[in-house]
Amino acid sequence: QKEVEQDPGPLSVPEGAIVSLNCTYSNSAFQYFMWYRQYSRKGPELLMYTYSSGNKEDGRFTAQVDKSSKYISLFIRDSQPSDSATYLCAMNNGNTGKLIFGQGTTLQVKP
Amino acid sequence: EAQVTQNPRYLITVTGKKLTVTCSQNMNHEYMSWYRQDPGLGLRQIYYSMNVEVTDKGDVPEGYKVSRKEKRNFPLILESPSPNQTSLYFCASSQRSSYNSPLHFGNGTRLTVT
Repeated sequence: QKEVEQDPGPLSVPEGAIVSLNCTYSNSAFQYFMWYRQYSRKGPELLMYTYSSGNKEDGRFTAQVDKSSKYISLFIRDSQPSDSATYLCAMNNGNTGKLIFGQGTTLQVKP
Repeated sequence: EAQVTQNPRYLITVTGKKLTVTCSQNMNHEYMSWYRQDPGLGLRQIYYSMNVEVTDKGDVPEGYKVSRKEKRNFPLILESPSPNQTSLYFCASSQRSSYNSPLHFGNGTRLTVT
């Protein structure tokens, strides 16, 4: 079993839809949770990060962490065609330099 | 411009021929790391370095070597490449390895080993 599981999709939604992206994990030592966005032919870029459980909002993006369920989510409101990309979750226990990524979910937002 | 530069962008080689992929960052970052990205497997960490002369294995270090003699450079060395090392490779750096220090990625090196 992988430490971090993420549905690869692809996920296709109409413009304006609310998108929900999710990851589950097995290592209870993870404390830091990140979401990266990767456009085609580019390296990933950090979108959001959270520490421990709770919510964090940044514009149209909301990150949620539920440590009791070992489940994290990224919500995108009013999705735009420019949001079409691969979204990767990543996690770290805070004690080492190891960062574990999910497989990534490919999102397409259709105009 | 702050960036992580990888070279080459594309590389085709044959089994057993030693190669080096260079990585350089101009942000004075302490932390650097190498990843490989494969379909269905996502990004997997090969090696990372918390600072100069300090390197450690990630999840898939077999068949790779790294060195960190200077802060800005972190080359990835394949002493005897094999076809299963055909992949898209990313170098990344950050000020620290903590969660609130975002990783800056290069644009990738696509390696094909025949």
